Amino acid sequence: EPEVTQTPSHQVTQMGQEVILRCVPISNHLYFYWYRQILGQKVEFLVSFYNNEISEKSEIFDDQFSVERPDGSNFTLKIRSTKLEDSAMYFCASRGQGVRNQPQHFGDGTRLSIL
Amino acid sequence: GDSVTQMEGPVTLSEEAFLTINCTYTATGYPSLFWYVQYPGEGLQLLLKATKADDKGSNKGFEATYRKETTSFHLEKGSVQVSDSAVYFCALSESTGNQFYFGTGTSLTVIP
Repeated sequence: EPEVTQTPSHQVTQMGQEVILRCVPISNHLYFYWYRQILGQKVEFLVSFYNNEISEKSEIFDDQFSVERPDGSNFTLKIRSTKLEDSAMYFCASRGQGVRNQPQHFGDGTRLSIL
Repeated sequence: GDSVTQMEGPVTLSEEAFLTINCTYTATGYPSLFWYVQYPGEGLQLLLKATKADDKGSNKGFEATYRKETTSFHLEKGSVQVSDSAVYFCALSESTGNQFYFGTGTSLTVIP
């Protein structure tokens, strides 16, 4: 079964550094998402992306964050200047087109640790 | 706005016990409802879904019925196994299907 893949599985970065989290969505999917889960807390929506542009974003997704689909397969989340509170698990998800409210398919996540 | 309220955990059950994890939602329009499961060290996996009122989603012995009158989508399983130990998330997808709202997750531990 096709799946969403995320790399790396664990990223350790110094505060203030830029970090790029990578995702390869399922190949025929058209909607892409990033979510964040701070340890012990709920999964929080960050951003959705469709047709090469952001379609929705949450309050968490401020100017420090950006997303990009640099080629036909990757979907990246960039945090420009990381803060301690950015430490979390980041999940990428994708969804196909067609039937309304198809489920989102999630990757295994990237654990981001900011030192 | 749309939101999901999920039963607090953790829940500890003996093998073969009956499981209920409560989930209620608040939404405008006609949302779809989902249960996701997160096994230790893994990502979120879709467990089951229901897209309209009175639909019952089922998978791997788990069931949940979309109840519009009580705005609920409780997860049930008649006989849990040790391998069911995981964190379970209730989720709502609003009408456009774009943004998902997750509950806080309920940790389940099943002991032999």
